[in-house]
Amino acid sequence: ETGVTQTPRHLVMGMTNKKSLKCEQHLGHNAMYWYKQSAKKPLELMFVYSLEERVENNSVPSRFSPECPNSSHLFLHLHTLQPEDSALYLCASSKKYRADNTEAFFGQGTRLTVV
Amino acid sequence: QKEVEQNSGPLSVPEGAIASLNCTYSDRGSQSFFWYRQYSGKSPELIMSIYSNGDKEDGRFTAQLNKASQYVSLLIRDSQPSDSATYLCAGPSNAGGTSYGKLTFGQGTILTVHP
Repeated sequence: ETGVTQTPRHLVMGMTNKKSLKCEQHLGHNAMYWYKQSAKKPLELMFVYSLEERVENNSVPSRFSPECPNSSHLFLHLHTLQPEDSALYLCASSKKYRADNTEAFFGQGTRLTVV
Repeated sequence: QKEVEQNSGPLSVPEGAIASLNCTYSDRGSQSFFWYRQYSGKSPELIMSIYSNGDKEDGRFTAQLNKASQYVSLLIRDSQPSDSATYLCAGPSNAGGTSYGKLTFGQGTILTVHP
């Protein structure tokens, strides 16, 4: 496998469910990100991890809980979501810490529908 | 003020024409910019990176960066129907005080190339 892989590709969950999104990167990068893409809105950065340490949380509601056990894996744990959380959730990775040279590569995304 | 803005679009061009996509940014200190292509229902794919003033060419694609005007553009020569997609401009984000490789995205420009 190469690149950034996300599972599942599609997820339908009820508001009382708990689910997790998984991301794995095979690029040797050491920074990973969760982005949210809603209809008619720009990509929104949710979380940034570098060397397994969360370095950024863009005021995301606590019903979204990230986990980064190592530099190759990233999870997004979901619980008690709302219908407005339905969106495409994208994982990305990049080389660390180069603020002016940061090519990010995206996974295929998880299309989440909250019912 | 948004960090990166794409105001034009949707854009429709005939096959074989030059498609011109534009983006402005607010942080004068930004050093690098990226163009992503996103097909409907798919994740963003990096197609061009530019780190210095001037032009950068890659096949049918030319990225242009004008730091004095805080302006980034993407030209697609000999446009093909397969180029029909949403094009996202991205630059480094300093929101929150540090960048750590974060990107901020424009809202995207929908390009349609008709035969």
